[in-house]
Amino acid sequence: KQEVTQIPAALSVPEGENLVLNCSFTDSAIYNLQWFRQDPGKGLTSLLLIQSSQREQTSGRLNASLDKSSGRSTLYIAASQPGDSATYLCAVRGGTGGSYIPTFGRGTSLIVHP
Amino acid sequence: EPEVTQTPSHQVTQMGQEVILRCVPISNHLYFYWYRQILGQKVEFLVSFYNNEISEKSEIFDDQFSVERPDGSNFTLKIRSTKLEDSAMYFCASSVGQRQETQYFGPGTRLLVL
Repeated sequence: KQEVTQIPAALSVPEGENLVLNCSFTDSAIYNLQWFRQDPGKGLTSLLLIQSSQREQTSGRLNASLDKSSGRSTLYIAASQPGDSATYLCAVRGGTGGSYIPTFGRGTSLIVHP
Repeated sequence: EPEVTQTPSHQVTQMGQEVILRCVPISNHLYFYWYRQILGQKVEFLVSFYNNEISEKSEIFDDQFSVERPDGSNFTLKIRSTKLEDSAMYFCASSVGQRQETQYFGPGTRLLVL
């Protein structure tokens, strides 16, 4: 059964810092990995989707990498801003057996203070 | 930009009552999903729906749950006889394809069962 772990669980940083959020998964036979942002009491906003054949994806100040063989992904946030404060979730789709059901991590709660 | 919408935003119901949560997926999307997030816990997959039938469901999605696409735009989740433990945020999502496409989430319906 696929399990997804996100480290750290919480992070508080001053504005301007570059950040790395980590996501690890136990079954490397995945189709893709998706990073989301969730604001308190709100829905999930998709940030980046990395297919299993890809190594990284970039969008603005965000860069996500995928090392499928080691079961890891990182989300890099450059020059963090207070508006980046949210919970960041990773979700892995697929695993041995070929299910399309995504498995989510618990998330990293990020606070960027001015 | 097209988005997934959900109604109601909040629902309070008595234990044992039936509830219907409604979603309007993005118009050209073919795959539809329901997820739930119990307060403080992970996002959990419930069910995926394609071509008017369930394509995958999780262990959570038991006989108390059903989904329907009653017309060309709405996608509904029905809980027949709600229990206290059904209290959660319910998210609808949609995607163009199933395996490699980004899933777009709605803002959620917060369900409270008393």
